[in-house]
Order: sequence, then structure tokens, then C-alpha cells
Amino acid sequence: DIVMTQTPLSSPVTLGQPASISCRSSQSLVHSDGNTYLSWLQQRPGQPPRLLIYKISNRFSGVPDRFSGSGAGTDFTLKISRVEAEDVGVYYCMQATQFPITFGPGTKVDIK
Amino acid sequence: QVQLVQSGAEVKKPGASVKVSCKVSGYTLTELSMHWVRQAPGKGLEWMGGFDPEDGETIYAQKFQGRVTMTEDTSTDTAYMELSSLRSEDTAVYYCATVLITMVRGVIITANWFDPWGQGTLVTVSS
Repeated sequence: DIVMTQTPLSSPVTLGQPASISCRSSQSLVHSDGNTYLSWLQQRPGQPPRLLIYKISNRFSGVPDRFSGSGAGTDFTLKISRVEAEDVGVYYCMQATQFPITFGPGTKVDIK
Repeated sequence: QVQLVQSGAEVKKPGASVKVSCKVSGYTLTELSMHWVRQAPGKGLEWMGGFDPEDGETIYAQKFQGRVTMTEDTSTDTAYMELSSLRSEDTAVYYCATVLITMVRGVIITANWFDPWGQGTLVTVSS
């Protein structure tokens, strides 16, 4: 199974300041079709997860442009350029390159 | 736009089974690959299994093999996840989530990311 790790696990951020979350996979996430199926999910308190980013860096419909994804191979990053109050929650990276689909442990973002 | 509506909360005794439903609207089930993910209280996300359109089979996470069954009723566009031999550790919110499937010149193309997610179904296992 592909193991996903995230750092940090907790990230207190000042409103208006940037935040960055790192995600690493135990093996390359490049699929045989050439795509890398690494996505980022946001889970606000009491809500189901919501897709933010797919295929490393593609913002999903309706996602603010302060969210961006980057990376390649086994190392990936989610950045929030200026954290807003509504960004509080837990962020998960997820790989769907290979079964079983696996998630990172989650990074809790809250306001200082 | 796909919408998913799940069945309501359940309370079950240890050893019993639970069957959670996920009703699709906006698309038909044949256009989607349905997956199930659970989240224990205060914990992270755990993939239980889902449909692999390339093989035409449902893949189960090894942890749940023999205890979980995922089925679909295409006449009502409703997916089901049944978990048997419940124990207290199965107390969790269970989510359905979909992957969009398209056919391009006879080739199956899957959007290998989960959107949308159902609202979740809390299953509590307690004696």
C-alpha cells in the first residue's frame, strides 16, 4: 500500500498570513497513463470532506485562487496564500493512483 | 452536477450488520464509480472500497475483506454499503464519494479524485 505522510500535523496561522502543508508518498504517484492522481481535500468542522485540488495542481470548481498545489513524484505541497477564517479545518492529501486509495493523516489548520 | 444523499444515522449492537444507502442524482450510477470512506470519531479518513471501472469489479480494502459488501441498484441510482459483524471500533461516519467516468473513443477515462461526497451517515455500534 502507498503510505501518505503530512507535515505539519497542526498549523496555527495568523489571519491573512500564508500556510503551507507538505505531503509525501512512499512511492511515486505517477500513473501508467502519465497522470499523477494526488488530490487535496478540506474538511471543515462537522462537514464532509470537500475537493480542493486534483492532479497535483488543478483547482476544483469554486475553489478560491488563494489555494494552490504543486509537486511531483512523491513530494507535494498545498499552499494557502492568505488564510481566512473560513479556511479553518483539516486538510488531507489523497492518492488515487493505485488501489488501495490512501489518505494522509490530516493537517489541522486553525487561527492563532 | 452530481449530488449524493445518504441514509440516516444507525445504532447497532455488536455482531449485527448495517446497510447504508447513497442516492445519486444529476448523473446515473453507470456514469460514476462509487467509493466508500469512513471516519472514526476524531480520526482521519479511511478508504473501504470502490468500483474499478477498468476491471468492472469492486475493490475492497484488505482490512474489510469478508465483512463489507458494496452493491448498486441502477434502476434507482442508489448505492449500498453493508458492513457485517459490527464491533465498537466500527463506530464512525460513513461517506460515499464518486469518481466520474467518461468514455472517449471506446476508452474508459476516470477522473481519479473524489467529488462530490455524501453528507455522511453516523453508525454507532454499542451494546
